[in-house]
Amino acid sequence: ETGVTQTPRHLVMGMTNKKSLKCEQHLGHNAMYWYKQSAKKPLELMFVYNFKEQTENNSVPSRFSPECPNSSHLFLHLHTLQPEDSALYLCASSQDESGSGNEQFFGPGTRLTVL
Amino acid sequence: GQNIDQPTEMTATEGAIVQINCTYQTSGFNGLFWYQQHAGEAPTFLSYNVLDGLEEKGRFSSFLSRSKGYSYLLLKELQMKDSASYLCAVSDSNYQLIWGAGTKLIIKP
Repeated sequence: ETGVTQTPRHLVMGMTNKKSLKCEQHLGHNAMYWYKQSAKKPLELMFVYNFKEQTENNSVPSRFSPECPNSSHLFLHLHTLQPEDSALYLCASSQDESGSGNEQFFGPGTRLTVL
Repeated sequence: GQNIDQPTEMTATEGAIVQINCTYQTSGFNGLFWYQQHAGEAPTFLSYNVLDGLEEKGRFSSFLSRSKGYSYLLLKELQMKDSASYLCAVSDSNYQLIWGAGTKLIIKP
């Protein structure tokens, strides 16, 4: 595997379900990110982890809970979601969180539908 | 507040040239990125500008004017595979990326 991988690619869940999204990067990067992408809206940064420590939580509702066990893996735990949470959830990684020209590499995303 | 503006949609003809503009207002500036995103796929990096001027990379070029808060992505010799969304993003004073909503580019034969 190369680059950034995400599973599952598609997820349909009810509002009472609990599910988790998984992201893995094979690039040796130290920073990982969760983004939400809704149609015709800018990418919304949700969480940032740098060297496994959370450095950013962009006022995300507590029904989204991130976990970063090591620099290569990132999870997003979901529970009691709302229909408006339906979106594409993108994971990204970069060499470090800061620094000029810090290109982010994205995974293919998980298309989430909340019924 | 922080804001990135780019056109919602543009249409161009195969073989032609198209320029996608991006204007920004951010707290601090540590560079501007352009990404390409095909429908249903991950965004992929195209270019990075931190100094004023034009950066050329094959058929794609990106321009930056920091004093005007303005950038453009220039695509030459358009091909059908260039049909995609083009995302402009600015790295702010905290090195967080502020994203535009993207420009959907439609290429017609």
